[in-house]
Amino acid sequence: ELKVEQNPLFLSMQEGKNYTIYCNYSTTSDRLYWYRQDPGKSLESLFVLLSNGAVKQEGRLMASLDTKARLSTLHITAAVHDLSATYFCAPGDYNNNDMRFGAGTRLTVKP
Amino acid sequence: GAVVSQHPSRVICKSGTSVKIECRSLDFQATTMFWYRQFPKQSLMLMATSNEGSKATYEQGVEKDKFLINHASLTLSTLTVTSAHPEDSSFYICSARDRGGPNNEQFFGPGTRLTVL
Repeated sequence: ELKVEQNPLFLSMQEGKNYTIYCNYSTTSDRLYWYRQDPGKSLESLFVLLSNGAVKQEGRLMASLDTKARLSTLHITAAVHDLSATYFCAPGDYNNNDMRFGAGTRLTVKP
Repeated sequence: GAVVSQHPSRVICKSGTSVKIECRSLDFQATTMFWYRQFPKQSLMLMATSNEGSKATYEQGVEKDKFLINHASLTLSTLTVTSAHPEDSSFYICSARDRGGPNNEQFFGPGTRLTVL
């Protein structure tokens, strides 16, 4: 069974600082998704990483995927308060129905 | 594009009653829809996979007789929580897979918050 580990689970940052969230998974997957969830809301898709070595950036967030290491990272650059949310990673396969979520990283950005 | 809606967004019911939640893909056809449950401060847990025109596949530990899933059309799946009890109170999120899209990606609905008194 696919296991997904995110760390850290809780992250408190000062505005302007950088940090990386890590997502390790236990079995082969050919893609990985990152989502953001605000309190009381559903998931918002951030990135879909489709191949080994894929790197995508949107604003202050950058995600990468290493399928050989079964590792994805979400890097936060110069954090701002608006980034405060819970971030989930979820490995998946094109033809596989299963998408298992990590436990989530609750990010709080303090002024 | 790729919008998924859920109805209702919030429901409060008495213990013992049944509650139906609808999940619709608004602008694409979804042969497969998924139902997740999320308890406070926890991650999403897959409950079942719903395929149009066939029986749903339930995850281990999810009672199929309690959580009835119907996927009667390519744009609608329903989850009925039968004889709901307070421990069923949770945030229920559906997703729909867009097979016609470039990435075969799942798109998530806005969620339904169920409170059982």
